[in-house]
Amino acid sequence: NAGVTQTPKFQVLKTGQSMTLQCAQDMNHNSMYWYRQDPGMGLRLIYYSASEGTTDKGEVPNGYNVSRLNKREFSLRLESAAPSQTSVYFCASSQGVTAYEQYFGPGTRLTVT
Amino acid sequence: LAKTTQPISMDSYEGQEVNITCSHNNIATNDYITWYQQFPSQGPRFIIQGYKTKVTNEVASLFIPADRKSSTLSLPRVSLSDTAVYYCLVGDSWGKLQFGAGTQVVVTP
Repeated sequence: NAGVTQTPKFQVLKTGQSMTLQCAQDMNHNSMYWYRQDPGMGLRLIYYSASEGTTDKGEVPNGYNVSRLNKREFSLRLESAAPSQTSVYFCASSQGVTAYEQYFGPGTRLTVT
Repeated sequence: LAKTTQPISMDSYEGQEVNITCSHNNIATNDYITWYQQFPSQGPRFIIQGYKTKVTNEVASLFIPADRKSSTLSLPRVSLSDTAVYYCLVGDSWGKLQFGAGTQVVVTP
């Protein structure tokens, strides 16, 4: 039982390049989330998916797109990376949006030069 | 959204009890209070959640007064491994919750 897995662990992009961060969970959770965490700050919600087939914007959605591929997988895409998107990205899942225990992945450290 | 305020940092010695108080003056009737812990280079981990009075689990206790405008996370007999950032969150749906900067707890020998 791996919990929440994220790939890649590290990535360096040049400004304007695109990439997709992958996230998968094996806990049969309904809801999944993408956060970013900048140095010394708390997490900020980018997008979330309350259930398979739905996605909603969080606090900081600009510059990102998401896809809830199936119940297990939730990907985050940067179409044209900018230095301001340098951050650590965490994926999480929970039974539902009103379930308070979220399970987090190990994170992806992204640097945009 | 119910905004939370908590201390930026707290220091403690091993074996002591650490109490972190979080203010949430605008908490709504349906809101729950949840605390998370985060170690460096890791995602946050759920510690405890409550609605009112006192909740205790194997890791911590959560005290919530009757007016629910604040809450206190209590970590009994801390060890070096409890050095982490602790976040207080308030709300009724994860789509609307916000992590603040949290409280950095440093435990020294």
